[in-house]
Amino acid sequence: SQQGEEDPQALSIQEGENATMNCSYKTSINNLQWYRQNSGRGLVHLILIRSNEREKHSGRLRVTLDTSKKSSSLLITASRAADTASYFCATAPTSGTYKYIFGTGTRLKVLA
Amino acid sequence: EAGVTQFPSHSVIEKGQTVTLRCDPISGHDNLYWYRRVMGKEIKFLLHFVKESKQDESGMPNNRFLAERTGGTYSTLKVQPAELEDSGVYFCASSQLYNTEAFFGQGTRLTVV
Repeated sequence: SQQGEEDPQALSIQEGENATMNCSYKTSINNLQWYRQNSGRGLVHLILIRSNEREKHSGRLRVTLDTSKKSSSLLITASRAADTASYFCATAPTSGTYKYIFGTGTRLKVLA
Repeated sequence: EAGVTQFPSHSVIEKGQTVTLRCDPISGHDNLYWYRRVMGKEIKFLLHFVKESKQDESGMPNNRFLAERTGGTYSTLKVQPAELEDSGVYFCASSQLYNTEAFFGQGTRLTVV
């Protein structure tokens, strides 16, 4: 199955609330990246977290990585309507390939 | 600094025709990737260039797809002849090194009718 799997598949919240998305993967990784896709447009890079890091912040974004559980989470605080998008994680495996492997994505809807 | 640019943004072609997609990576990025998303499903890897060399083309669906990166700068992805199932959004990405941020372009939405 796919290396990365996000859950939930879809999430609907009110503006101002926090949104948490999770990503699980199967193999050892060098890093994990989170991306946002708005309305079928391009993939916007949000944050990269390396395998030796446990947490990173960027503005309203907080990403955690637990390599023992092979999982990552993306937290968006104080969500805005403009955060409505699909969010994907992409992992960079340590061996066997130099490609980034995407998860299935979480569709986030922030209601105004 | 310019990001990854893709051309065209949209393409509608008839089954059996040929289409060529172009990707200009970020200057100085040796790694260039092609991905596609079909019918809103997962984003699937197609191939990976390091400079002008194909590092991994295991995701290319079949021999109707041909990717090139002459001179190690821009890349083209040609689909010939196009089939209905080739419809989707084709993304290009580039990164300086494998273990660094990969930046994506806006994608080319290909519709085969």
